[in-house]
Amino acid sequence: DAKTTQPNSMESNEEEPVHLPCNHSTISGTDYIHWYRQLPSQGPEYVIHGLTSNVNNRMASLAIAEDRKSSTLILHRATLRDAAVYYCILRRPIYGGSQGNLIFGKGTKLSVKP
Amino acid sequence: DAGITQSPRHKVTETGTPVTLRCHQTENHRYMYWYRQDPGHGLRLIHYSYGVKDTDKGEVSDGYSVSRSKTEDFLLTLESATSSQTSVYFCAISAQQETQYFGPGTRLLVL
Repeated sequence: DAKTTQPNSMESNEEEPVHLPCNHSTISGTDYIHWYRQLPSQGPEYVIHGLTSNVNNRMASLAIAEDRKSSTLILHRATLRDAAVYYCILRRPIYGGSQGNLIFGKGTKLSVKP
Repeated sequence: DAGITQSPRHKVTETGTPVTLRCHQTENHRYMYWYRQDPGHGLRLIHYSYGVKDTDKGEVSDGYSVSRSKTEDFLLTLESATSSQTSVYFCAISAQQETQYFGPGTRLLVL
């Protein structure tokens, strides 16, 4: 699986937008870009995913570069509850009975200041 | 929230003791996974299942076995627990190998 590179940590102020970058220069044409986050003492939580076009949902937006070698997760107004580790993961579709596990890196630890 | 429960949530055991962790889902999802999370390693896949009685190994399967006799239950067994298996264990489910939903985790301490 292709690797992703994320900053170890970022800080944000409450109610301000946050842009979390992810580099994936070896991404293949069929790799989906997934974002998960993990709040303290909880299991990971799905945030958003996309292939080529920018995506929006109630939690966040995902901006994907035209060459797909990088992407940015955008939290439009950070809250204290958004403090978590954010993981950018590339996921290749696998059909049949083969495994489809997620490969987690170390992610970006986001701190949100009141 | 996806209907996933893990039991027990916390367990302390001694080296050499067998341990079974249970993951239960109410979503009727086909795929189920067991991960472990350790400081400095992130989450790593132990075993996964793609259907009843269909399982396969993940990245760190040594010392672990799994069973899935019903769609809703996926059991992880440590045949003889070792201190290196002290970790937080997460179960996850997915319907079509896309979005995975994770359980709350089980903290296991092997003394």
